[in-house]
Amino acid sequence: AQTVTQSQPEMSVQEAETVTLSCTYDTSESDYYLFWYKQPPSRQMILVIRQEAYKQQNATENRFSVNFQKAAKSFSLKISDSQLGDAAMYFCAYRTGGGSQGNLIFGKGTKLSVKP
Amino acid sequence: DAGITQSPRHKVTETGTPVTLRCHQTENHRYMYWYRQDPGHGLRLIHYSYGVKDTDKGEVSDGYSVSRSKTEDFLLTLESATSSQTSVYFCATRPDMFAEKLFFGSGTQLSVL
Repeated sequence: AQTVTQSQPEMSVQEAETVTLSCTYDTSESDYYLFWYKQPPSRQMILVIRQEAYKQQNATENRFSVNFQKAAKSFSLKISDSQLGDAAMYFCAYRTGGGSQGNLIFGKGTKLSVKP
Repeated sequence: DAGITQSPRHKVTETGTPVTLRCHQTENHRYMYWYRQDPGHGLRLIHYSYGVKDTDKGEVSDGYSVSRSKTEDFLLTLESATSSQTSVYFCATRPDMFAEKLFFGSGTQLSVL
């Protein structure tokens, strides 16, 4: 069975600085997707970034980028120029690729605080 | 998000009572999912549906049942609520089996006293 591990329950960053959230996963599959979701206090689940396992290039979305190390089964999220609005719970998630049922497997989350 | 409405938004109930949560979507998405979110556990899959009347169990299905009689509605029922089912429940949808993204509802906070 696939598992997703986020080893940092809480992280803190100074406004305008850079922070990296860690995520590792375990799978025997070669085709899969990885995601980072943000959950602010409003409880809404917001997709931040996604990565297809077959793509070697790391995904980037504005200030958010990932470091995808397939062999190491690592998928970390880097937030550059941190803003107060980045404060939230962040979840790493895995999904089997191809034509699948599409169930997401989530990590336990990392609570990010941003200090002004 | 993608026209997903969860009702109720909040509910307080007593142990032993039946509870039904509703997820309604207007996007004609084929797949629908129920997750529960608990501190220290992230989100865990309860049940999912891959079509009308087609459902399957997820990781934490004990004590829950689901029904999907129409494409747009996915109901989650707690037959006899227990305090361990106090949680935030999220519904999610996906257009088809090749779509990458899941769309989430706003969640239902359920408290079982």
